[in-house]
Amino acid sequence: EDQVTQSPEALRLQEGESSSLNCSYTVSGLRGLFWYRQDPGKGPEFLFTLYSAGEEKEKERLKATLTKKESFLHITAPKPEDSATYLCAVRGYGQNFVFGPGTRLSVLP
Amino acid sequence: DAGVTQSPTHLIKTRGQQVTLRCSPKSGHDTVSWYQQALGQGPQFIFQYYEEEERQRGNFPDRFSGHQFPNYSSELNVNALLLGDSALYLCASSGRLRQASHEQYFGPGTRLTVT
Repeated sequence: EDQVTQSPEALRLQEGESSSLNCSYTVSGLRGLFWYRQDPGKGPEFLFTLYSAGEEKEKERLKATLTKKESFLHITAPKPEDSATYLCAVRGYGQNFVFGPGTRLSVLP
Repeated sequence: DAGVTQSPTHLIKTRGQQVTLRCSPKSGHDTVSWYQQALGQGPQFIFQYYEEEERQRGNFPDRFSGHQFPNYSSELNVNALLLGDSALYLCASSGRLRQASHEQYFGPGTRLTVT
């Protein structure tokens, strides 16, 4: 059974304090690992797709990396507007998406 | 370019009633998936529709059913509502089912409250 866990559950950072979020997964044949951002009461917003170990993608202050068992979302010099829940999901041979519980990030000014 | 749209935004129903939620996919997308997201949890996969047929289903009872129309829009129906069905219901659309990227784009969701 495909599974995704995320840590920490919640993270509070000062503005400018860089950190990383973790996504650990088990999947039968990885066909993609996806990162989403979700603001309260809204739908998830697509950020990145990673397909193979060693792959990296960047967007503004965010950088996602992938190994065979986990992915990291690095946040460099975060701003208060980066506060959100960050969701990780995997797609395996079963083809449907399996989401983790998310990490709630708060960036204080 | 219109993104994924869902209606209604909010809905309040009583236990035992039935509800229908609607979704229009992003332009160019033909695959629609539905998710249930309880407060503080990640989205849970309900089912996926492609070419007007249910292609995959998650661990949800038969009370949850759906439909996809020729224009790729979709409906989610829930019968005999329970208090535990209260959640944010998300619709996601993507390109062709076998497409390698298969990135999903989500709508704003429908907040269902069962009293």
